[in-house]
Order: sequence, then C-alpha cells, then structure tokens
Amino acid sequence: DAGITQSPRHKVTETGTPVTLRCHQTENHRYMYWYRQDPGHGLRLIHYSYGVKDTDKGEVSDGYSVSRSKTEDFLLTLESATSSQTSVYFCAISEGLTTHYTGELFFGEGSRLTVL
Amino acid sequence: GIQVEQSPPDLILQEGANSTLRCNFSDSVNNLQWFHQNPWGQLINLFYIPSGTKQNGRLSATTVATERYSLLYISSSQTTDSGVYFCAAYNAGKSTFGDGTTLTVKP
Repeated sequence: DAGITQSPRHKVTETGTPVTLRCHQTENHRYMYWYRQDPGHGLRLIHYSYGVKDTDKGEVSDGYSVSRSKTEDFLLTLESATSSQTSVYFCAISEGLTTHYTGELFFGEGSRLTVL
Repeated sequence: GIQVEQSPPDLILQEGANSTLRCNFSDSVNNLQWFHQNPWGQLINLFYIPSGTKQNGRLSATTVATERYSLLYISSSQTTDSGVYFCAAYNAGKSTFGDGTTLTVKP
C-alpha cells in the first residue's frame, strides 16, 4: 500500500471556522492532489501540487487554499468553512508521467468533514 | 478540460453473472485508470491501462485510445465486487474522474 496518511479522518465543525486537512506521504512522490467526493459527482479536483511550493487550481478550488512547504506534506485549508464544503476529502499522490513513471494515482483513506 | 462519462450509472447483478462497464473520454489522454471504491470508502487501484488489454483474475480492462473509450469486464461476479467503479483519465498532470458505476451483486 502507498504510504499516504490523512488527518484528521473525521471532523465536525461549525460554519465560519477555519479547517486544515493534512496529507502526509512517505513515498517521495512529486505530485500531490486534493479531491472531494460528493454523492452523484464522483471525485472532483480541488488543488494539486507538482513540487514544493508549486501548486495549481483544480475545477472546484473556490473557498480552498493549499500549501506544500516540504515534499511529504500537502495541506488543504478552508479559511471559513461553509455547509457546502461538507464532503469526503481524498488526498492522492503520483510520480507524474515521465519516461520512468506512469502517472498512476494512489489514494489515501479519506477525511470526512461535516460543517454544521 | 477532459470530460469523462461512465455507463451505466447503476448495475444490479446476480452472483455469477458477467458485466461490462464503459468509460468514454472526450480527448486524448496519457493514462487511464480504473478504481473500485468498496463499501468502506476505500479507493482500490484496479488497472492502469492507457491502451491495450490487461487481466487480473476475474477482472480485465481494455482501452482503445484512438476511439477514446475504455471497458472494464467483471466475470463470475461475487458479492465482494459490490461498490462503485470509477475511471480516471490523466492529461497534463492531473486526472479527471467519471461519476462512477454503482455495482450491486446479489447472492
């Protein structure tokens, strides 16, 4: 199994409070991703990182920010949580597509966030 | 960005039956993956298959990149095959997922 740890695994918070989710990897993979999963929508990309301090937006980035200060950690922050951000959040890692690597994604266990 | 469509959205089978799940994508991709999300929410890698055919036990997958589709075959289905099957198309550093096929296998 890919060494990916998400924390916290479950969190209940109130509208307007800040929330940070952490993804930690032990695989030294270059790419890290945050997805959210909602009923009927599959997995949608929030933000991703292609290296330390290199990040970019995905399709549902509004209301979220990310940081990657070291290879192994990718943080997702909700500055002021809203009920629409209630979801299951998945972190994924990849080596990217190169002559040596396939771009294959590996997922963490997920973090369930409930915003009341 | 790339659009990914999966069909059917839902599938109910009796144990022992075979099934085919389809994934269409709107543009050229560098990679195509199939995942199984089990009832506990874990996402399990099934296949990495940018083109051609691969088999793993009762499961096999075929991607025809020139026609922009991939198929996942499940033979002799078991109750443990239940869950949601996702395909994900990789292009320009990121993967786009379809909405999934929910498979229910009844004993």
